[in-house]
Amino acid sequence: GAVVSQHPSRVICKSGTSVKIECRSLDFQATTMFWYRQFPKQSLMLMATSNEGSKATYEQGVEKDKFLINHASLTLSTLTVTSAHPEDSSFYICSAERGDTYNSPLHFGNGTRLTVT
Amino acid sequence: GESVGLHLPTLSVQEGDNSIINCAYSNSASDYFIWYKQESGKGPQFIIDIRSNMDKRQGQRVTVLLNKTVKHLSLQIAATQPGDSAVYFCAETTSGGYQKVTFGTGTKLQVIP
Repeated sequence: GAVVSQHPSRVICKSGTSVKIECRSLDFQATTMFWYRQFPKQSLMLMATSNEGSKATYEQGVEKDKFLINHASLTLSTLTVTSAHPEDSSFYICSAERGDTYNSPLHFGNGTRLTVT
Repeated sequence: GESVGLHLPTLSVQEGDNSIINCAYSNSASDYFIWYKQESGKGPQFIIDIRSNMDKRQGQRVTVLLNKTVKHLSLQIAATQPGDSAVYFCAETTSGGYQKVTFGTGTKLQVIP
């Protein structure tokens, strides 16, 4: 149980275009989802916290107009990278917290490798 | 493009030996700790967790030790196998509300067959 699906796993886009990444909790309801960014050989850096039905909370230094987050249901959060540039190329990972369990470990998707050309 | 990454600390272990991966955490208020394993090109996978009211917890082939005095966490893997090769991250968070988890820098474990 506790599966998080992330789609797409890889995407290549041209500079100036927008890319949407989906994160779904398949067998549980996720009141809160998190979006991370990971550069090669580095740790995961939290970008934003996504709460169902409310605005996302962004970490310091993360542009909210650049990285649009929508958490429209208890099983789906989306991250849209708008007007992508080569420096946005990275590995983006989502995670979800079960709404029915206190202090349970986060469940992670398998990440999306974004390459902006 | 992506920034040049730092080189992760690497631990090389002979197959069958025990591995010990260490982590120093930063927030003395953290009371829930998790170890994750990340294979290349994949998301982190939960291994084991421990709450601050414990100093040791055992799973299958893995043991986590917590020393709150020096803010240190370790992961011990018994009889290390080639499939254990991955990057291991410790993570910390505080109770209450949603989990805003902070990840450590990570250690790359290389198992030598």
